[in-house]
Amino acid sequence: DAGVIQSPRHEVTEMGQEVTLRCKPISGHNSLFWYRQTMMRGLELLIYFNNNVPIDDSGMPEDRFSAKMPNASFSTLKIQPSEPRDSAVYFCASSHLPIEKLFFGSGTQLSVL
Amino acid sequence: GNSVTQMEGPVTLSEEAFLTINCTYTATGYPSLFWYVQYPGEGLQLLLKATKADDKGSNKGFEATYRKETTSFHLEKGSVQVSDSAVYFCALKPGGSEKLVFGKGTKLTVNP
Repeated sequence: DAGVIQSPRHEVTEMGQEVTLRCKPISGHNSLFWYRQTMMRGLELLIYFNNNVPIDDSGMPEDRFSAKMPNASFSTLKIQPSEPRDSAVYFCASSHLPIEKLFFGSGTQLSVL
Repeated sequence: GNSVTQMEGPVTLSEEAFLTINCTYTATGYPSLFWYVQYPGEGLQLLLKATKADDKGSNKGFEATYRKETTSFHLEKGSVQVSDSAVYFCALKPGGSEKLVFGKGTKLTVNP
């Protein structure tokens, strides 16, 4: 199994630009999670999907953030417009529900200048 | 609310030293508890877990015991190796929820 695949690994953009992060979960998993990791706040859950349906987006910081899961094998996290304070590592993770074990991707390091 | 508190890092040890990383939690109900490990440049990986009081999770020489009376889940290893250098995260999953709550992580460096 290839594991959870995220792209890009690194993204550098300028303030105001749109950023799209991509995730391919492990085949057969029915849930997908987006996390953000920063030194100050640690790991924060942004949103999670079950069977492609958003279940809890209470962690999405503001309307500039949106996430979609059009099918079981693909999800995107979009930031529009991006701001310097969005700089962080964004992780995608997948699992069966109920969670026994979360499988994380390698993350996207986002830098907004 | 639900929260996890880990000891502040970084922790630096010599090879073969004994490791303890403290973790305490606050949760409603009966949470499951986890330790995840993050190696440089990688995502988190599950290291071990415990789902009820007095359970001991263990893996790769690491172990942790779910202590309900002290709301703790301390990670221990008897003899660390250089390859154990990583960031360790304690986490809980509240009963009836699928949202894991993570501690801030503790960076461990093991020197030869």
